[in-house]
Formats: sequence, structure tokens, C-alpha cells
Amino acid sequence: AQSVTQLDSHVSVSEGTPVLLRCNYSSSYSPSLFWYVQHPNKGLQLLLKYTSAATLVKGINGFEAEFKKSETSFHLTKPSAHMSDAAEYFCVVSLNNNDMRFGAGTRLTVKP
Amino acid sequence: DAGVIQSPRHEVTEMGQEVTLRCKPISGHDYLFWYRQTMMRGLELLIYFNNNVPIDDSGMPEDRFSAKMPNASFSTLKIQPSEPRDSAVYFCASSLVGRLSPLHFGNGTRLTVT
Repeated sequence: AQSVTQLDSHVSVSEGTPVLLRCNYSSSYSPSLFWYVQHPNKGLQLLLKYTSAATLVKGINGFEAEFKKSETSFHLTKPSAHMSDAAEYFCVVSLNNNDMRFGAGTRLTVKP
Repeated sequence: DAGVIQSPRHEVTEMGQEVTLRCKPISGHDYLFWYRQTMMRGLELLIYFNNNVPIDDSGMPEDRFSAKMPNASFSTLKIQPSEPRDSAVYFCASSLVGRLSPLHFGNGTRLTVT
């Protein structure tokens, strides 16, 4: 069985400081991993995806995530937070299209 | 590409009424998903289609919910009769074949049942 756990329901950072959103997964097989972002009153938008080609994945808006098999983690980071990054972030693990598991989400607040 | 298009954006209805939500997936995508999002339960997969055929509807809450995909460019989610506990944001998403294909979400329909 596969599952995903987002370790923080809410993260608050100051503008210009680093962002770390944590995600751990459980999967019997080699998974695909995704991060999505949801701004208020919008659908989810893909930030980045892990495809097993490289363990460090770069996404849009300066975000990146590192796949660590030994730690079963796929944490999302950004060196410097911007006000526009305030949103809900979802980590997703997938064996195939029929079985995508969404994390509970992490709400990111960015203070001026 | 216009992306996944959902209508209406907002729907307010009274308990007992029929509600129909609509979705136009991205052209060429083989999979279509319906999700429901609430504060209490997060994102829940209701049903998904592959090449217009329903594959897994185990997430549909009860018989009041039904979904159809008459062709590759259109799907509906119907609730009849609606109840206040159905109030949520309903998302449609589509994707290409394969596990590396990300989901493309519409902007959702916010349903309020009074």
C-alpha cells in the first residue's frame, strides 16, 4: 500500500526567508511523486514532479524538492519566500493514474 | 490550451434539488477524475474515467451521486437529491496515460446546499 504524510498542517515564514514543507511517503514500489499548489478559490497546479531521472527536482516559481529514498522523503524547499507563495501545498504519491494519494496539505503563510 | 473547464463556478441550491456539475477536460487526455474537497476530509477521489469509461466509482458517497462521460470532451457529476452535507468544492481533473502524467485541475465548482 502507498500513502503520503505531510508533517506540518501549517507553516509560517517571513518574506525573504527559506521555505521547507515536509513530506514522507510509503510505497512498496518505486513511486512517482508530485507537489501541487492551490491558491485560494483555484484548482491545484503542478509545481514539480519526480520521475526517477534525478533526485533533485526543480519546479516552477523557484521551488525544488529532493527525493531521498533512504528517508522516504520528498521535502519541498524554496530559498526565499515571496508573498505570492502563500497557498496550500499538497504532496502526492502515485504508482499509476488510478492510485494517486494526496497528503492532507500544508498551508503556507508568508509574513511581510 | 484553455485547460480543464468547469461550470458553474458557484452553485447555491436548496436541499432536495438536483445539481449538475460540468467538466470539459483537456483535449487528448485519456483520464478524467472527479474530486471533492472539504475542510474536514481534504481531497477525496469520487470517480475516474479512462477513455470515457468509468473505472472506479468506489469513492462516490452514495446512490444520490452519479457521473457520466458521454464523449471525450464532456463529463457531468449529478447529485439528486442534494443535501446540506454535499456542500463542498468539486474539482474535475484530467491527465494523459501513464503514472508520470500529472493531473490538470479545473478551478472547481463551489456547491452550497441550504
